[in-house]
Amino acid sequence: DAGVTQSPTHLIKTRGQHVTLRCSPISGHKSVSWYQQVLGQGPQFIFQYYEKEERGRGNFPDRFSARQFPNYSSELNVNALLLGDSALYLCASSWGRGGGTEAFFGQGTRLTVV
Amino acid sequence: AQSVTQLDSQVPVFEEAPVELRCNYSSSVSVYLFWYVQYPNQGLQLLLKYLSGSTLVESINGFEAEFNKSQTSFHLRKPSVHISDTAEYFCAVSEGNAGNMLTFGGGTRLMVKP
Repeated sequence: DAGVTQSPTHLIKTRGQHVTLRCSPISGHKSVSWYQQVLGQGPQFIFQYYEKEERGRGNFPDRFSARQFPNYSSELNVNALLLGDSALYLCASSWGRGGGTEAFFGQGTRLTVV
Repeated sequence: AQSVTQLDSQVPVFEEAPVELRCNYSSSVSVYLFWYVQYPNQGLQLLLKYLSGSTLVESINGFEAEFNKSQTSFHLRKPSVHISDTAEYFCAVSEGNAGNMLTFGGGTRLMVKP
């Protein structure tokens, strides 16, 4: 069975540019969440989408946006990139969004902003 | 707001020795607790979770954690570690009435030496 897949695995962008990260959840999972993991720190929650609607948002600026498509895949968009946006971006999927529902993580996208 | 504190950023230990990774959380409501493991250049894998019932939970590879409500702790233990246990370990919490969005601790790097 395919797990959560993220693309690309690595990318390098210049300050001020825009980036789009993609995530395909496990088949049957309707919830996708995005996390940012800065080197040496724990992941920080950015967004959760369930049934194509935003269900939660972390403490991130409006430069960060996301959406979920009818097939439950998701995109994370970041505008006006800053050096501090360099991080591993993790996508997690789950079948539901109830408390305690297990989240399955992808391998992540390593974004480097230069 | 909930928060998670992992008291040790690094824990060096010799192979076959016991180990405890400490985790404390703060929350005003009921919580679900998780331990995730992250191997180099990989995403997060669920190690074990506490949802309800018995306060002692176990994983298939010999780890266990005990939920202590009075001390708001969820420490991870293993009686005898292996070289292959070398990884980053993250404690995480989700609040019972706020979906399965996770708040992570800063992580503990377990370094098992031969």
